[in-house]
Amino acid sequence: DIQVTQSPSSLSASVGDNITITCRASQNIINYLHWYRQKPGRAPELLIFSVSSLQSGVSSRFSGSGYGTEFTLTISGLQPADFAIYYCQQTYSPPFTFGPGTKVDIE
Amino acid sequence: QVQLVQSGAEVKKPGASVKVSCKASGYIFRDYGISWVRQAPGRGLEWMGWISAKNGHTNSAQKFQDRVTMTADTSKSTAYMDLRSLRSDDSAFYYCARVAIASGDWPSDYWGQGTLVTVSS
Repeated sequence: DIQVTQSPSSLSASVGDNITITCRASQNIINYLHWYRQKPGRAPELLIFSVSSLQSGVSSRFSGSGYGTEFTLTISGLQPADFAIYYCQQTYSPPFTFGPGTKVDIE
Repeated sequence: QVQLVQSGAEVKKPGASVKVSCKASGYIFRDYGISWVRQAPGRGLEWMGWISAKNGHTNSAQKFQDRVTMTADTSKSTAYMDLRSLRSDDSAFYYCARVAIASGDWPSDYWGQGTLVTVSS
């Protein structure tokens, strides 16, 4: 199975900050990498698919990059709704594993 | 608009089975797949498997293969996930999500609201 890790596991930031979350896969997954946000008590929602494509309706403050085994999610100008848990997921090979998540909370 | 509406919370005893439904609307059901993801309280997301609504093809994570059955009824635009031999560590929220097969890289672009399954004696 492909292992997916994320760093950091948590971070504290303020409204307006720019942050970056990193996702690493245990083998080359090309561009089969997606990012989700999960707000407390809610289902996850897709933010970015295929590394860098913005899901319809998602703010352009979110951007993604990377290829192969290392990927990043950048959030520019943090908003209150962005304080949540972020997960990456690989869909290169089943099982389509998720990373353990990165919790972003208010500093 | 695309919606996935899941069945209500369940309480089951160890050893029992649970069947969660996921009714889709707002799109052509057979053009997409449905994935199942669970989340134990306070834990991360765990991918269980997925089913193609077009041909019924399934793929599940090895840890669930002998206990889970995923089906899709195209006449009802509804997917089902049946988990057998429940244990206390199966207590979790279970989510269905639409899989964008045609995109080629299969993100889960719309999610159900989740179904809480509690396993307790």
